[in-house]
Amino acid sequence: RKEVEQDPGPFNVPEGATVAFNCTYSNSASQSFFWYRQDCRKEPKLLMSVYSSGNEDGRFTAQLNRASQYISLLIRDSKLSDSATYLCVVNKWGNQFYFGTGTSLTVIP
Amino acid sequence: DAMVIQNPRYQVTQFGKPVTLSCSQTLNHNVMYWYQQKSSQAPKLLFHYYDKDFNNEADTPDNFQSRRPNTSFCFLDIRSPGLGDAAMYLCATSRTASNQPQHFGDGTRLSIL
Repeated sequence: RKEVEQDPGPFNVPEGATVAFNCTYSNSASQSFFWYRQDCRKEPKLLMSVYSSGNEDGRFTAQLNRASQYISLLIRDSKLSDSATYLCVVNKWGNQFYFGTGTSLTVIP
Repeated sequence: DAMVIQNPRYQVTQFGKPVTLSCSQTLNHNVMYWYQQKSSQAPKLLFHYYDKDFNNEADTPDNFQSRRPNTSFCFLDIRSPGLGDAAMYLCATSRTASNQPQHFGDGTRLSIL
C-alpha cells in the first residue's frame, strides 16, 4: 500500500468554482502534513502546512482528519492562475517525507 | 532572500558521460535531499543527508552518488547516465523538526543524447 494516495484527476473547473482535493495516508504515526503546488516543469512550492485544527489562507482551506487519515484542500473562487498540480506531502517522522502523485487542476475561463 | 539554488537549470549530456548537478542553500538547514521527477510522476527520493550522514534509498541505482562537502552545498553525481535518467532533478532542504516543510530549488532538467 502506498504511503500517500491522491486522486490524480484531472479536475477541470470553471472560474469562480469551489474545488476540493483529498489525500489519504497509510501510517497513523504520520506527524505533519503539507500541500505543495507544482506548475508544469517547475519545482514544487509550499502552498500551506496543514494543522490539526484546520487552517485557512485566503481562498485556500486545509483540513486534517486523523481518525480517517486524510487531509483535504479546498479552493474557493478558483482563478485561472490556480491551474497547477497539487501535491500532498506527509512527514512520518524525522526526515521522511512522502509524496502523493499529485492532483491536476485546470481552471477554465 | 534565503533560498535553495540549483545549477545548472538545464543540463545536456551524452549517454554514458558523467555529469554533476549542484545545489546550494542559504537557509542553514541541516537536511538536504535529492529527488528525481519524471513527467506526470511524484518526486522520487534518491537520497538525503542529515548533517554529514548519508542516507541512500534502497532502490536508488548505484549509478547515482552524492557528496555534501559542507552544510551549504550538496552534489548529485551520475556516473554513467542512461536514457532513462533523463528527468528533472530537485534538491530540497529542511530542518530536522518534523513539523517543518521542505524547501525546493528550481530544479535541473537533465537531457541525455
